[in-house]
Amino acid sequence: GDQVEQSPSALSLHEGTGSALRCNFTTTMRAVQWFQQNSRGSLINLFYLASGTKENGRLKSTFNSKESYSTLHIRDAQLEDSGTYFCAAEAGTNAYKVIFGKGTHLHVLP
Amino acid sequence: EAAVTQSPRNKVAVTGGKVTLSCNQTNNHNNMYWYRQDTGHGLRLIHYSYGAGSTEKGDIPDGYKASRPSQENFSLILELATPSQTSVYFCASGGDWGPYAEQFFGPGTRLTVL
Repeated sequence: GDQVEQSPSALSLHEGTGSALRCNFTTTMRAVQWFQQNSRGSLINLFYLASGTKENGRLKSTFNSKESYSTLHIRDAQLEDSGTYFCAAEAGTNAYKVIFGKGTHLHVLP
Repeated sequence: EAAVTQSPRNKVAVTGGKVTLSCNQTNNHNNMYWYRQDTGHGLRLIHYSYGAGSTEKGDIPDGYKASRPSQENFSLILELATPSQTSVYFCASGGDWGPYAEQFFGPGTRLTVL
């Protein structure tokens, strides 16, 4: 099965509201990255975490390696937040590879 | 800011033809990666490299070769392109494991094999 399971696969939010995206891991991961893929297809780095929580504006991410999950919280959603969000985790067995989830398609509605 | 560039940005090839996708990074990162992105699969790793002269197989290497002639450049080569290789290809660079292992992506190359 997939080592990185992302949920939900799709999400609609009204402007000004918020929600959480989640990645569950089936094996020990050393670190996790979160990306936004925008409408032009570009992958934008949001967070890189080896542990704990980071916050940047309306986004906050947590990585719990012991419980094998990571979350990305979006608050006060804006139209430009629409896109696909990916998590990518560094597996403990190989220092140079990351494993991507299949993404969450976020649609922010006016 | 990390800088990864790819060329070409769009490519149409014929079945059986040779295709070379190029990637350049100015981050002085040791590690470079090639991924493909297809609907329903997210990003999948094709080849990666630890440094100049090295190439390693990723999760889906069949039908692809890679070349890392220098720290800055990493190429993906399709010797005999097939329609199943129609996809969007992303190159990335990243530091060594630890606090610097974050990956930075290029803008992608859209390849169509007819």
